[in-house]
Amino acid sequence: SQQGEEDPQALSIQEGENATMNCSYKTSINNLQWYRQNSGRGLVHLILIRSNEREKHSGRLRVTLDTSKKSSSLLITASRAADTASYFCATDKFSGANNLFFGTGTRLTVIP
Amino acid sequence: EAGVTQSPTHLIKTRGQQATLRCSPISGHTSVYWYQQALGLGLQFLLWYDEGEERNRGNFPPRFSGRQFPNYSSELNVNALELEDSALYLCASSLEGLVFSYNEQFFGPGTRLTVL
Repeated sequence: SQQGEEDPQALSIQEGENATMNCSYKTSINNLQWYRQNSGRGLVHLILIRSNEREKHSGRLRVTLDTSKKSSSLLITASRAADTASYFCATDKFSGANNLFFGTGTRLTVIP
Repeated sequence: EAGVTQSPTHLIKTRGQQATLRCSPISGHTSVYWYQQALGLGLQFLLWYDEGEERNRGNFPPRFSGRQFPNYSSELNVNALELEDSALYLCASSLEGLVFSYNEQFFGPGTRLTVL
């Protein structure tokens, strides 16, 4: 079963605007990560935030984590056409199993 | 440094046949993970191998199996293929799987399996 759900399912913005995607998950987690996938290809790791962290930055990316609400958000600032992709959140648990549980993904389209 | 590689890129089979997918992890990585990305179902965990042993298995039938070789490369075998097995199969690798910790997983480009 899917661990997370992302919102919105699809997002279309103009180049230069900010894009915000949200992820909700169901159970306690160890870490939460965001991945990007271009056109049904492999996943590219963007950023990892641990359960004891609340915010993390990497370049134009800003991730927040609210464990009380079991939710995370990914903000991409000053978007570019090259940011067009699907974005997934993924969580892992304190279970000793290293497999990831993925959200349903947000399809971001950045219009030049 | 070479990333995770997968072969073949595309694979077309007919229902009832067997498919074998291959994955080579990043040098130094001992853990290999397999995920299925089927249309409408999202990414789902299939199998995790570490040091040649199956460590964890997702909610898939036994006809999905695999193995990890001494060089840490891995095979995913799907027997008695069904139409709904059509999907992108992604392999990922990481440093040794640590209990109660986590090592980042690096993904390969995937194998697109089509079952006719």
